[in-house]
Amino acid sequence: NAGVTQTPKFQVLKTGQSMTLQCAQDMNHEYMSWYRQDPGMGLRLIHYSVGAGITDQGEVPNGYNVSRSTTEDFPLRLLSAAPSQTSVYFCASRGQGYNEQFFGPGTRLTVL
Amino acid sequence: AQSVAQPEDQVNVAEGNPLTVKCTYSVSGNPYLFWYVQYPNRGLQFLLKYITGDNLVKGSYGFEAEFNKSQTSFHLKKPSALVSDSALYFCAVRGSSNTGKLIFGQGTTLQVKP
Repeated sequence: NAGVTQTPKFQVLKTGQSMTLQCAQDMNHEYMSWYRQDPGMGLRLIHYSVGAGITDQGEVPNGYNVSRSTTEDFPLRLLSAAPSQTSVYFCASRGQGYNEQFFGPGTRLTVL
Repeated sequence: AQSVAQPEDQVNVAEGNPLTVKCTYSVSGNPYLFWYVQYPNRGLQFLLKYITGDNLVKGSYGFEAEFNKSQTSFHLKKPSALVSDSALYFCAVRGSSNTGKLIFGQGTTLQVKP
């Protein structure tokens, strides 16, 4: 199993550009989440999904959209990038019950 | 609302000494508690979890954590620190709903000196 994969690893955007961060998992996990990591602030939940077709907002959803058309994929869209969205983004998934989350390697995004 | 607090930005210990990284939480209902570790430029790795049962939970790499319901704490411990334990440690909590969100603390940097 590849686990949780994320692409790209690095990305530089200009203010106002849009892009999609990709996340995929091959463990047939129901639950998937997106977090952003900023120094001194830990990981903050952006959006999460409890299954295909179902998504919900986390702590910091503004400026981001998600969709979950399949169990495997959970892309994160930045509609109009802002410098405040410069961060490291992690995707995670977990199975049913009391299981821990598995994290992807992260995407480092810089918005100029 | 769920929340997690890690009161120390950094913990410094000498190699061979015991270490403690503190975590307190707030959640409705029974908590599900987790510790993760992050090495530089890497993703998060799961260390251990408390769901129910014995208050002392053992995890990877010799780490353990003690759940204290009355103090709403879940401190991470290791009897003898290694230089290779130096990393960023995150505590996280999820509520008892199976669809509950996992909320993280701000992280504690552990520095183990030879």
